Amino acid sequence: QVQLVQSGAEVKKPGASVKVSCKASGYTFTSYAMHWVRQAPGQRLEWMGWINGGDINTKYSQKFQGRVTITKDTSASTAYMELSSLRSEDTAVYYCVSGANFDYWGQGTLVTVSS
Amino acid sequence: DIQMTQSPSSLSASVGDRVTITCRASQAISTYLNWFQQKPGKAPNLLIYAASTLQSGVPSRFSGSGSGTDFTLTISSLQPEDFATYYCQHIYSTPLTFGGGTRVEIK
Repeated sequence: QVQLVQSGAEVKKPGASVKVSCKASGYTFTSYAMHWVRQAPGQRLEWMGWINGGDINTKYSQKFQGRVTITKDTSASTAYMELSSLRSEDTAVYYCVSGANFDYWGQGTLVTVSS
Repeated sequence: DIQMTQSPSSLSASVGDRVTITCRASQAISTYLNWFQQKPGKAPNLLIYAASTLQSGVPSRFSGSGSGTDFTLTISSLQPEDFATYYCQHIYSTPLTFGGGTRVEIK
């Protein structure tokens, strides 16, 4: 069955960077784009960006432009999301999402930004 | 950016009730709309895509309708496992924004 398995929780200081991984299995990795969505405590879901399935083209939300980088290693069926210049407001659960219609979600990775 | 507004933000209902949640887009999005269910501490789960197509494995008591700017998610007979938060999301253009959520609670 389809699985997206994300890396574990992170605690970072303000100004640092975090890189979250998402390993896919159970489907052809290059068939679908990989999106990243985050959810701050008690807040709505927030789309951050995506990377194409068949190439390395990316598209980012303007809100995160310049701070977020989404990459992938096709040979390892793994996508990555790196967020830099972290601030307390970036404390959230980060999800990778794929599939034709946002069908497949990772389990989420909690990133805590605290001094 | 397209803004998605859900109403109500929360509701209380009983098992067996018919529940309707609405989602309004700030501009026309055709039927480029998804509905998700999220339970505490879990990732969202896709219920409906393309505004009215039921995702495989989702019970038929869930249905979606609408096009353009106004959309509806209906649960025909609320079950105990349906108490959760529901989100709409447009996929018409980037950024792919979500609604604010509707929390369905036990009455």
